[in-house]
Amino acid sequence: EAGVTQSPTHLIKTRGQQATLRCSPISGHTSVYWYQQALGLGLQFLLWYDEGEERNRGNFPPRFSGRQFPNYSSELNVNALELEDSALYLCASSLPGGNAYNEQFFGPGTRLTVL
Amino acid sequence: DAKTTQPNSMESNEEEPVHLPCNHSTISGTDYIHWYRQLPSQGPEYVIHGLTSNVNNRMASLAIAEDRKSSTLILHRATLRDAAVYYCIRTGAGSYQLTFGKGTKLSVIP
Repeated sequence: EAGVTQSPTHLIKTRGQQATLRCSPISGHTSVYWYQQALGLGLQFLLWYDEGEERNRGNFPPRFSGRQFPNYSSELNVNALELEDSALYLCASSLPGGNAYNEQFFGPGTRLTVL
Repeated sequence: DAKTTQPNSMESNEEEPVHLPCNHSTISGTDYIHWYRQLPSQGPEYVIHGLTSNVNNRMASLAIAEDRKSSTLILHRATLRDAAVYYCIRTGAGSYQLTFGKGTKLSVIP
């Protein structure tokens, strides 16, 4: 069974540009989560999508946005990039509904570097 | 606020058992306890979770204190591949995202 896949593996942008990161969940999973892992800050929850809807977002500015497509894949967009957006962006998926005990399966991440 | 407390780092000799502690003194009755680990240069992976009673799976065991204020992840025989950052996470019935703390960095000595 294929795991969660993310693309691209690495992305280099300059300040002010926009970045688009993509995630394909495990087949049968409808929930997709995005996390940011910046150096020194640990893993922080960004966004949760389920059945095409944004269900919850973490403490991030509105320039972090995304969407979930009918096939449950997801896209994370970061507008007006700032240097501190440089981080590993991780996507995870889980079974439908999302609840406290659904195991989340993580992808390998996209390393975003903002110059 | 990760709501759990773990030691920053621990060391273990290869092929010996490892007990990774976690304190969650403010846990509520419906909160689950999850453990994930993150190997170098990889995304986190699920290890085990539990609610009240001890749990076992192919990767590890989870021992939960009777008052649920603490738990211990047990790796029965540490291997070099177990060197990772281990995160203890509690999730409530109404929360769906994982809130990661700093975790415990486990080093395994050959």
